[in-house]
Amino acid sequence: DAGVTQSPTHLIKTRGQQVTLRCSPISGHKSVSWYQQVLGQGPQFIFQYYEKEERGRGNFPDRFSARQFPNYSSELNVNALLLGDSALYLCASSSFLGEGGSGDTQYFGPGTRLTVL
Amino acid sequence: QKEVEQDPGPLSVPEGAIVSLNCTYSNSAFQYFMWYRQYSRKGPELLMYTYSSGNKEDGRFTAQVDKSSKYISLFIRDSQPSDSATYLCAMRVMNSGGYQKVTFGTGTKLQVIP
Repeated sequence: DAGVTQSPTHLIKTRGQQVTLRCSPISGHKSVSWYQQVLGQGPQFIFQYYEKEERGRGNFPDRFSARQFPNYSSELNVNALLLGDSALYLCASSSFLGEGGSGDTQYFGPGTRLTVL
Repeated sequence: QKEVEQDPGPLSVPEGAIVSLNCTYSNSAFQYFMWYRQYSRKGPELLMYTYSSGNKEDGRFTAQVDKSSKYISLFIRDSQPSDSATYLCAMRVMNSGGYQKVTFGTGTKLQVIP
């Protein structure tokens, strides 16, 4: 089975532009989460979606938004890009939400590296 | 104070050594504890998943959780050059609203020298 896939792999944007990142979860997984990982730091939680609904949001500004589609794939949008948005954006999928067991374990994709100039 | 503190390293050891990686946490609500391995410019890869206090072994890897001390460890026996990576501890709690909040440590960079 294919793992979590993300596109594009790399992206270069300039300040003020908008960007859309895409994620396809593992087949059968209904929950998708997005994380931002700045160089030298651990991933920071941005959003979690389950069954096409936002179920959790981290401490990120409203410039960040996301959605999940009927096939459980997801998009992360970032508007009015800032230099500080340069990071590796990770998508993670899991089977369930709130079950509290191993089904909630998240599996990560390779990430999209965003550079803002 | 950060919810999760992780020894930053970097850690350099000779091949065959036993490696100990550690994290402490302050949120007693954390229920699940994970260790991820991340190679350079790749996404994190799940290594170990534990729930209760005690030890869990998988091949050369042993995860240890001490909830009373709010301390978790990952031990790597017979370390190999292929183990060279950044190791992230992560902890999970179910928040109100039913979503899982996962908090990561900053990662420890490990280099195993042949």
